[in-house]
Amino acid sequence: DAGVIQSPRHEVTEMGQEVTLRCKPISGHDYLFWYRQTMMRGLELLIYFNNNVPIDDSGMPEDRFSAKMPNASFSTLKIQPSEPRDSAVYFCASRVFGGGTEAFFGQGTRLTVV
Amino acid sequence: GENVEQHPSTLSVQEGDSAVIKCTYSDSASNYFPWYKQELGKRPQLIIDIRSNVGEKKDQRIAVTLNKTAKHFSLHITETQPEDSAVYFCAAGDSSYKLIFGSGTRLLVRP
Repeated sequence: DAGVIQSPRHEVTEMGQEVTLRCKPISGHDYLFWYRQTMMRGLELLIYFNNNVPIDDSGMPEDRFSAKMPNASFSTLKIQPSEPRDSAVYFCASRVFGGGTEAFFGQGTRLTVV
Repeated sequence: GENVEQHPSTLSVQEGDSAVIKCTYSDSASNYFPWYKQELGKRPQLIIDIRSNVGEKKDQRIAVTLNKTAKHFSLHITETQPEDSAVYFCAAGDSSYKLIFGSGTRLLVRP
């Protein structure tokens, strides 16, 4: 397996534009997580899914953020409209059901909003 | 809500010395405690983890200890090497499967 795959690796966009980040979890993993990493706030959990269903979105900062998981192999995180303070590295991670299982991270998407 | 505190935020040690990073968690339902290492510009990767029914776990130069009563867990790295320099994150998870991360410790091993 190629691991968790995220695209794009880097995204530069202008304030006000829509941004869509993509994630392909490891095949067979039941859980998918979206994290945001900044120097100030560290690794923040934004939302996570179990079997494609959103379980907890309490970390999503504002209504400008939305996430979907239309099937077991694909998830998106959308920001509309984007703002400079959204600049961060966004990580997707996946885990398989079973106590004490490792969460595998993707390479991340570095988002810069100018 | 759940919270994981991590200390210190930065740690500088001489090569060959030991490094200790400490975390506390707030959710008594937490039962899984992984540690991740993140090198500059790369993804976090698991280096060791411990479950709540175990007090200590070792893997070569790395060990993790857990005190459930005090809600503390720690990472110990012995005989540090320059390649250990990175940011280390602790995390706590429960039966909901989500992981809450600490704020990270930047470890610098001086040659």
